[in-house]
Amino acid sequence: QKEVEQDPGPLSVPEGAIVSLNCTYSNSAFQYFMWYRQYSRKGPELLMYTYSSGNKEDGRFTAQVDKSSKYISLFIRDSQPSDSATYLCAIDSGYSTLTFGKGTMLLVSP
Amino acid sequence: EAQVTQNPRYLITVTGKKLTVTCSQNMNHEYMSWYRQDPGLGLRQIYYSMNVEVTDKGDVPEGYKVSRKEKRNFPLILESPSPNQTSLYFCASRVTNTGELFFGEGSRLTVL
Repeated sequence: QKEVEQDPGPLSVPEGAIVSLNCTYSNSAFQYFMWYRQYSRKGPELLMYTYSSGNKEDGRFTAQVDKSSKYISLFIRDSQPSDSATYLCAIDSGYSTLTFGKGTMLLVSP
Repeated sequence: EAQVTQNPRYLITVTGKKLTVTCSQNMNHEYMSWYRQDPGLGLRQIYYSMNVEVTDKGDVPEGYKVSRKEKRNFPLILESPSPNQTSLYFCASRVTNTGELFFGEGSRLTVL
């Protein structure tokens, strides 16, 4: 079983839709949970960072972590065409390396 | 401006011709790392460094070398490139072994 599983998509939604992106992980030692956004031809950039179960909100973005189910989610409200990108979950054991999901490509059409 | 700078951004080379991809960060970060990104495989770590003169293998180190002689620089060396090393490479850094990872813009390498 891979350490971090993420549906590659693409996920196509109309502008204004609520988007749900998800990852599952297998290693219960993971402590820190991140979402990165990667635009085409660019490096990934951090979008959300959390280390506990529950929800964290930042504007239109909400990160949700359920450690008991080993499940993390990113919700995007009122999605915009500028949100079109690949979203990568990243999970950190707190030692030396991040484990990335393969990324979900999101396309928001006007 | 805080940034991770990689060079070259694009490179086409031939099998066996040694090349170096440079990486420099201006944030005084201790931790630096190299990843390669391939379709369907995602980001995979090649090597990382926890500090000067300290380097360690990631998930896919074969065919690569690194060095960390200065805190700000972490070059990736391909001694004898092969076509299976055609990929998009990212350098990244962070303060310590936890926390936000800052990525460079990427270096697209093609080995013919």
